Amino acid sequence: GIQVEQSPPDLILQEGANSTLRCNFSDSVNNLQWFHQNPWGQLINLFYIPSGTKQNGRLSATTVATERYSLLYISSSQTTDSGVYFCAAGTYKYIFGTGTRLKVLA
Amino acid sequence: DTGVSQDPRHKITKRGQNVTFRCDPISEHNRLYWYRQTLGQGPEFLTYFQNEAQLEKSRLLSDRFSAERPKGSFSTLEIQRTEQGDSAMYLCASSLEAEAFFGQGTRLTVV
Repeated sequence: GIQVEQSPPDLILQEGANSTLRCNFSDSVNNLQWFHQNPWGQLINLFYIPSGTKQNGRLSATTVATERYSLLYISSSQTTDSGVYFCAAGTYKYIFGTGTRLKVLA
Repeated sequence: DTGVSQDPRHKITKRGQNVTFRCDPISEHNRLYWYRQTLGQGPEFLTYFQNEAQLEKSRLLSDRFSAERPKGSFSTLEIQRTEQGDSAMYLCASSLEAEAFFGQGTRLTVV
């Protein structure tokens, strides 16, 4: 089955810094999403992006489907960006990576 | 529509008891998924429904687990004879064809 790998596993930033999170997937997929998991465990949708580039405020994402990777960019990070970011990819079901744990320091 | 709803939010049960969780998907969504997440890990796929048909079950879903989606609406996940290893967050998601939306999860603690 599809395997999803995320890097880096952990990231510590000073407030205001930029960061790039990477997601590699092992096979062709129809669907790819980025999520932010809040402290209570709920997965918040950031982007549905099986291909191309999207932007939403300080966040943007790019998926290069032919090369089987996706990137999530966070610019001017804020302490509220802290948490776990998951990439999930698949055809009819989503396979999750192990996440990137981001901590933004004030 | 307020999104995917799960009930209860928290459940503490004694080992050996049966528990049942409920998921109400977004109303027009035909696909429904159950995932399990343990501490420090990403969510793991358990099972998938398209309308009322259960189309796939993960190997993680032992014989003690059963899921239903009567009439293609809400879904239930039952765990029989709970074990301490069943302690986890159980997440439900729904989608129409592509983008999936998750509920707030049910956190199960088996003592």
